[in-house]
Amino acid sequence: GENVEQHPSTLSVQEGDSAVIKCTYSDSASNYFPWYKQELGKRPQLIIDIRSNVGEKKDQRIAVTLNKTAKHFSLHITETQPEDSAVYFCAAPKYGNKLVFGAGTILRVKS
Amino acid sequence: DAGVIQSPRHEVTEMGQEVTLRCKPISGHDYLFWYRQTMMRGLELLIYFNNNVPIDDSGMPEDRFSAKMPNASFSTLKIQPSEPRDSAVYFCASSFSRGGTEAFFGQGTRLTVV
Repeated sequence: GENVEQHPSTLSVQEGDSAVIKCTYSDSASNYFPWYKQELGKRPQLIIDIRSNVGEKKDQRIAVTLNKTAKHFSLHITETQPEDSAVYFCAAPKYGNKLVFGAGTILRVKS
Repeated sequence: DAGVIQSPRHEVTEMGQEVTLRCKPISGHDYLFWYRQTMMRGLELLIYFNNNVPIDDSGMPEDRFSAKMPNASFSTLKIQPSEPRDSAVYFCASSFSRGGTEAFFGQGTRLTVV
C-alpha cells in the first residue's frame, strides 16, 4: 500500500528564514501531491498541491517541488512569519482518490 | 456552499455508550472520507465512500466501528460500544473526482470517552 514518510517531525526557524519539509511516497502510480496546514484546534486546509506532470509550483511564499524518479516532494516556505506556525501534512493518493497522509511536521516560527 | 458540515462539534460520553458522528459533504462531491486524528497516530483514514458505496474500510479499527452513507448528502460513523481509547478528533472530508483529489475537511468532532 501507499506509505508516506514525512520529516522532520518538528522544525523551528527564525522569522524571515526559510523552512523546508520533505515527504517520500511508495506508490509510483501516485499523481497528485497536496500539502495541508492545520492550525491548533482547526481543520486541515489545503495550501498548495502539485500534479505529476510538473516539477515545481509556486504560490507567493510557498512552493512545492516534485521528483517522481526519487518519489519525493517538498514544501518550501520562504520569509517565514509567526502566522506560518502550524502543523503541516503532506499526502499522496492510493487508488486515485484515497489520500494517505504523512505524520505531520510541527513548524514553529520564532519572532 | 457552507463546506463540509459535521455534528456534533464536541461529544463527551461514558465508556460503553453508543456514539454517532454525522457528516454532510459538499454538494456535488462524490467521495467522502472519515479520518481519525490523535497525537500518537496522526491522521488515519478509517473508511471512504464513492457515490455512497464504501470502497475501503481497511482502516476501521475493529467491529465496534461502523459507517454508513444512505445518500449523497449524509454519512454517519458509529462506535458501539465506545472505549476511552476511541477519544480523538474525527474528521469527515469530501472531494470531487473530476477536480482532482483535493479533500475538503469538516470542522471535526472532538470525542472524549470517559
